Amino acid sequence: NAGVTQTPKFQVLKTGQSMTLQCAQDMNHNSMYWYRQDPGMGLRLIYYSASEGTTDKGEVPNGYNVSRLNKREFSLRLESAAPSQTSVYFCASSAGAGGIQYFGAGTRLSVL
Amino acid sequence: KQEVTQIPAALSVPEGENLVLNCSFTDSAIYNLQWFRQDPGKGLTSLLLIQSSQREQTSGRLNASLDKSSGRSTLYIAASQPGDSATYLCAVIGIGNEKLTFGTGTRLTIIP
Repeated sequence: NAGVTQTPKFQVLKTGQSMTLQCAQDMNHNSMYWYRQDPGMGLRLIYYSASEGTTDKGEVPNGYNVSRLNKREFSLRLESAAPSQTSVYFCASSAGAGGIQYFGAGTRLSVL
Repeated sequence: KQEVTQIPAALSVPEGENLVLNCSFTDSAIYNLQWFRQDPGKGLTSLLLIQSSQREQTSGRLNASLDKSSGRSTLYIAASQPGDSATYLCAVIGIGNEKLTFGTGTRLTIIP
């Protein structure tokens, strides 16, 4: 019953460092998503992938890149971290467009 | 641009009471509306999904209604329990896209 697995759970970075957040799902879902959650802002979509080999920008894509490595895995990369990227990041997946989205437990990222 | 509002931001009620959480959205051209629950420090768990053609959905003590024309949804929780304490979020998907737009949530506390 793993569902959506995110690694790491916590990370502290210095400004300018890079890192990759990993996400994997075992439900054979086509669609995968990356969100960030900030106090008072709700969840905002960063990028999504409707199927293996495709990615599209969401509401707040600047400063991020993504890779849909295969059907199971969707990674989010911060090339040069900034304090404004301090947030909680959630990965989600769904069978297809408009379906129920299943979320991972989140990655809590602090950029100093 | 779709905007989703949830009022109040926080709500406390005694155990055993029935309660209603509100969600409003500005663009009625939605594909579906989803209600989620988020426990502190955790990811989101899907509670109910209502298709745009439906008026309501039920799951156990939860009942969600949708009035697309007025841009409103309600989540009714019957016979509340301390375990219902969490933040409840609603989100809508617009027609023809993958993107969930979230409200900022209502933090519910059930007082034993």
